[in-house]
Amino acid sequence: GAGVSQSPRYKVAKRGQDVALRCDPISGHVSLFWYQQALGQGPEFLTYFQNEAQLDKSGLPSDRFFAERPEGSVSTLKIQRTQQEDSAVYLCASSLAGYWPQHFGDGTRLSIL
Amino acid sequence: QQPVQSPQAVILREGEDAVINCSSSKALYSVHWYRQKHGEAPVFLMILLKGGEQKGHDKISASFNEKKQQSSLYLTASQLSYSGTYFCGTEITSNAGNMLTFGGGTRLMVKP
Repeated sequence: GAGVSQSPRYKVAKRGQDVALRCDPISGHVSLFWYQQALGQGPEFLTYFQNEAQLDKSGLPSDRFFAERPEGSVSTLKIQRTQQEDSAVYLCASSLAGYWPQHFGDGTRLSIL
Repeated sequence: QQPVQSPQAVILREGEDAVINCSSSKALYSVHWYRQKHGEAPVFLMILLKGGEQKGHDKISASFNEKKQQSSLYLTASQLSYSGTYFCGTEITSNAGNMLTFGGGTRLMVKP
């Protein structure tokens, strides 16, 4: 079966542009997570969905970050008015339920110039 | 709060053993271990539940000491394929629901 799929793999944007990152979780997985991973660091939690409900968005760093999962499957992480500090790898993970275990996608490497 | 992992990095010769530690300042519900190779997705290794337990498969095992809020990952007779960065994730329970937080990682390099 297919794993978690993220697109694009690489994204380069100019400061101030808006970007949208897509995550296609494993079919049937209820839970979906977004993480931000800086170089040499562990994944840092951004937000968590259970089906279409966003249960926790406490990790979103600012109101420029917005995530949605309207039909309980594919999710999009949107970053508005990007800043250089937004440069990182954005990881998506899904699980059957709750936090366990999580299956990660390969991530989107975002570079803001 | 982020769990603390030690050591930050370790270099081994093939066949040697290693221990990676993960400690938290909060009471833990569970501990998760993942391995990430450069440029790839983190891959799930195992979950340990509170109540204190030890798990393992192949030559990788882990223990969870609930009272000390610590977990250790044991890599025995390391293989080249064990190289990568190991992350522990600590799950805590709060009024707001459960939360999983990853440590900063331990970089493991196994040399021939």
